[in-house]
Amino acid sequence: DIVMTQTPLSLVVTPGQPASISCKSSQSLLHSDGKTYLYWYLQKPGQSPQLLIYEVSNRFSGVPDRFSGSGSGTDFTLKISRVEGEDVGVYYCKQSIQLPVTFGQGTRLEI
Amino acid sequence: EVQLVESGGGLVQPGRSLRLSCTTSGFTFGDYAVTWVRQAPGKGLEWVGFIRGKPFGGTTEHAASVKGRFTISRDDSKSIAYLQMHSLKTEDTAVYYCIRGRYSGSHWGQGTLVTVSS
Repeated sequence: DIVMTQTPLSLVVTPGQPASISCKSSQSLLHSDGKTYLYWYLQKPGQSPQLLIYEVSNRFSGVPDRFSGSGSGTDFTLKISRVEGEDVGVYYCKQSIQLPVTFGQGTRLEI
Repeated sequence: EVQLVESGGGLVQPGRSLRLSCTTSGFTFGDYAVTWVRQAPGKGLEWVGFIRGKPFGGTTEHAASVKGRFTISRDDSKSIAYLQMHSLKTEDTAVYYCIRGRYSGSHWGQGTLVTVSS
């Protein structure tokens, strides 16, 4: 199974300041079709997870542009340029290049 | 608007069975895979499995932790996916989410809580 390792596991950020979460996979997530099957989700308190970023760097519909994703191969990063109060919750990375699909442990962001 | 609504959760004794439903609307159900993910209380996300859409044969894949006990199925005429769970264990206690698609997970249901306890 592909192991997804997130760091840090928790983050306290002042509103208006940037935040960054790292996600490393135990195998490359680059498929022969040219896509990299790495996704980022945010689970706000009491809610279902919501898709933020797909295929490393593409923001999903309605996601503010303060969120950005980058990386390649096995190393990926989610950045929030200026954290807002509504960004609190747990962030997960996920790979779906290989079964079983696996998630990172989650990174809790607090203000 | 794409919607997925899980139902069927509840309290069940170890060893018993339960069937969850994922009722969908707002998209052409048959064209999409449906994935199930669970989240134990206070824990992270765990992939349970998925069923491919009709164009891809409607076949299934399951996590090793549930293989042989859980079965995913679908009724395209009703736009509903199912998660049949047998031989439930206490460690199956979780909120179960259904998700449209296999890869991106762009649309999730609100989840249904399954508690396995005597």
